[in-house]
Amino acid sequence: DIEMTQSPSSLSASVGDRVTITCRASQSISTYLHWYQQKPGKAPKLLIYSASSLQSGVPSRFSGSGSGTDFTLTISSLQPEDFATYHCQQGYSTKWTFGQGTKVEIK
Amino acid sequence: QVQLQESGPGLVKPSETLSLTCTVSGGSISNYYWSWIRQPPGKGLEWLGYMSNSGSTNYNPSLKSRVTISGEASKKQFSLKVSSVTAADTAVYYCTRAITGLADAFDVWGQGTMVTVSS
Repeated sequence: DIEMTQSPSSLSASVGDRVTITCRASQSISTYLHWYQQKPGKAPKLLIYSASSLQSGVPSRFSGSGSGTDFTLTISSLQPEDFATYHCQQGYSTKWTFGQGTKVEIK
Repeated sequence: QVQLQESGPGLVKPSETLSLTCTVSGGSISNYYWSWIRQPPGKGLEWLGYMSNSGSTNYNPSLKSRVTISGEASKKQFSLKVSSVTAADTAVYYCTRAITGLADAFDVWGQGTMVTVSS
């Protein structure tokens, strides 16, 4: 199994802050890495696919980078609606796996 | 705009079989991987398996012997069965669509349905 590890597990930030979340794979997954945003009581929403491609309709303040085993999700200027939990997911192996999630809270 | 809707019992007794159905509206069922993902309360996401439009299936090995995913293309529905459930199977269950063109990312999700395993 490919294990996905996100860091940090949670963070506190203020509106306007630049926020970076990291996801590390236990083995190389090329760029088969996707990011999702989940708000309480809601289904996850796809933000970034293939490590760095912005899903249609997602604000440009979200960006992704990385390849191989190390990936980052960056929010350039945190907005009130961005307080949520973020999940990474690998689509490289035939068993798709997620990271444990990173909760972004208001400071 | 494709929409997914899960349906099924919200309460299942231990040792019984959990059965859920996902109905696809507003789009084709072809050329996608139709998956089930679950999320126990306060925990992360776990992929359970998928069924392709050709009918092939792929399951998470950690649950493989207990999970079955099947579909009826004519009804635009696909289903999940988890046998011999325990309290550990209590979770919100989501049906989702994975698209090859997005490197198998899950681009459409149902709203989710909470299933509690309890006697």
